[in-house]
Amino acid sequence: GNSVTQMEGPVTLSEEAFLTINCTYTATGYPSLFWYVQYPGEGLQLLLKATKADDKGSNKGFEATYRKETTSFHLEKGSVQVSDSAVYFCALSPSAGNNRKLIWGLGTSLAVNP
Amino acid sequence: DAGVTQSPTHLIKTRGQQVTLRCSPKSGHDTVSWYQQALGQGPQFIFQYYEEEERQRGNFPDRFSGHQFPNYSSELNVNALLLGDSALYLCASSYTGEETQYFGPGTRLLVL
Repeated sequence: GNSVTQMEGPVTLSEEAFLTINCTYTATGYPSLFWYVQYPGEGLQLLLKATKADDKGSNKGFEATYRKETTSFHLEKGSVQVSDSAVYFCALSPSAGNNRKLIWGLGTSLAVNP
Repeated sequence: DAGVTQSPTHLIKTRGQQVTLRCSPKSGHDTVSWYQQALGQGPQFIFQYYEEEERQRGNFPDRFSGHQFPNYSSELNVNALLLGDSALYLCASSYTGEETQYFGPGTRLLVL
């Protein structure tokens, strides 16, 4: 079946540090991959996505590359800010059909200290 | 352009009661999905509505039901509430043929 595995948190970094949050997936076919962010007390916001192998999604300084050979979609940012403190979710949309349900990882909490 | 809206923002109920949550999709979107997010967990898919029909359903009991209206807005109903139903309920909308889902702020339900 389809599943997403994220590195466990919490992750605590100092401002301007480099961030990596690991995400691997199991899926049949060619899923689309997403990173969503959830700020405290809020809903989920789409951060970036990639729909095919070797695609790189990017937004707000965050990047992730769809690696089919390693079934991974790791999230990276070169220099984090305090405002990046949030919970980050990796998700996949299976390859069959439109408007597929999203399958989620457990989330990784990030705290950035000044 | 309004995004996805949900009401109410918070709700407190007691065991055995029934609850109705509401969602208005983003303008131009015709598909609504509902998710349950327990504290410290990732969202779990409940069901999806398109053209006023339930198109997909996750592993949730029949106590969870829904409806979509002609204007694409949607309701989630939960009957015979259990303590374990306490969670953040998220509505997401999308347009048929596109896979990106956009989420509302959620309704936080507490069952006592």
